[in-house]
Amino acid sequence: NAGVMQNPRHLVRRRGQEARLRCSPMKGHSHVYWYRQLPEEGLKFMVYLQKENIIDESGMPKERFSAEFPKEGPSILRIQQVVRGDSAAYFCASSPPGGTAEQYFGPGTRLTVT
Amino acid sequence: RKEVEQDPGPFNVPEGATVAFNCTYSNSASQSFFWYRQDCRKEPKLLMSVYSSGNEDGRFTAQLNRASQYISLLIRDSKLSDSATYLCVVGRGTSYDKVIFGPGTSLSVIP
Repeated sequence: NAGVMQNPRHLVRRRGQEARLRCSPMKGHSHVYWYRQLPEEGLKFMVYLQKENIIDESGMPKERFSAEFPKEGPSILRIQQVVRGDSAAYFCASSPPGGTAEQYFGPGTRLTVT
Repeated sequence: RKEVEQDPGPFNVPEGATVAFNCTYSNSASQSFFWYRQDCRKEPKLLMSVYSSGNEDGRFTAQLNRASQYISLLIRDSKLSDSATYLCVVGRGTSYDKVIFGPGTSLSVIP
């Protein structure tokens, strides 16, 4: 059973470009979470999604950031007009349906904005 | 008060030592508790769930004290490979599908 997959693993963007980060949850998992981790800092919750629904986006900046988890395909975290402060590791986690809080993480995408 | 607080560390201990990490949480309604470990520049990995009666997995023992809103992790006979950051994770209220990660405690086991 493949784990959570994220791609790309490393992404370099110039200021003003768009970044698209993809996450495929573990097989059978229907809940996806995105977290951001700045260098030397802890994990910060961004958004929680189920298929075709955003459940909680309280941690996501109101501008430039969006997330989706379509019926088919991976979850996408999209950052428009990136700035240097967006440079971070972005982790995706998934959990199964049915009331468990155990989350399983992907390897992360390291975004560098030059 | 932050929702989840941990000893900031770092903890530097010799191989073979016993080390304990503490974590406090603010929401008395929380129902789920976990310890994760995160190696440098890697993803967090689930170490163990924490049950009301306490639980043990090899050299690792987790305890929960609901009255004091306190969780602990004890590592016995530390190995070099235990060097990592340990994250306390608490369910957000009564929800089982939302959690909060603590800031983590850094452990270095030295030969």
